[in-house]
Amino acid sequence: GQSLEQPSEVTAVEGAIVQINCTYQTSGFYGLSWYQQHDGGAPTFLSYNALDGLEETGRFSSFLSRSDSYGYLLLQELQMKDSASYFCAVRANSGGYQKVTFGTGTKLQVIP
Amino acid sequence: DVKVTQSSRYLVKRTGEKVFLECVQDMDHENMFWYRQDPGLGLRLIYFSYDVKMKEKGDIPEGYSVSREKKERFSLILESASTNQTSMYLCASSLAVGSSYEQYFGPGTRLTVT
Repeated sequence: GQSLEQPSEVTAVEGAIVQINCTYQTSGFYGLSWYQQHDGGAPTFLSYNALDGLEETGRFSSFLSRSDSYGYLLLQELQMKDSASYFCAVRANSGGYQKVTFGTGTKLQVIP
Repeated sequence: DVKVTQSSRYLVKRTGEKVFLECVQDMDHENMFWYRQDPGLGLRLIYFSYDVKMKEKGDIPEGYSVSREKKERFSLILESASTNQTSMYLCASSLAVGSSYEQYFGPGTRLTVT
């Protein structure tokens, strides 16, 4: 099966940079995704990394190291609206099917 | 825009009742998923389907079944609801192939079993 580990909570100051780490254990790895979920809302897709390296999308970047089974989400120029939970998710081969397994989420609090 | 809708936002059922949660997507996605979300446990996969009439067990299928008779609709069934099935249920859909395999989520159904 798959297992993922990410910090449960992170606090950062408005305007700062924060990095949310995710380590995973899986076989048949295809890629790592990140989702954002505001309180009371549905998760929304942020990024997907299948290859090693950094992918940048505006203020958000995502990094993957397949050899280290590690990735992170980098949020720059933090805004109050970035306060939310962030989930990493591994896409991997499981019993011949591609399955996505989510981590337990990191609750980010942005403070003034 | 992709739209995933779920039949109810809030649902209260009694122990032992049969419960149906419906999910409909309007973007012709092949893949559909049911998750439950509980505090501190993240999203856990209950069942998924990659085609009509096809279903596969996820990580926590016990006590649940699913039905996919049409491509756009994926139903989650609680055969005999129990209090430990009180949770937020999220449906999602995605394309079968693509560059990101992005999952689109519905708004969720908060189910309370009393």
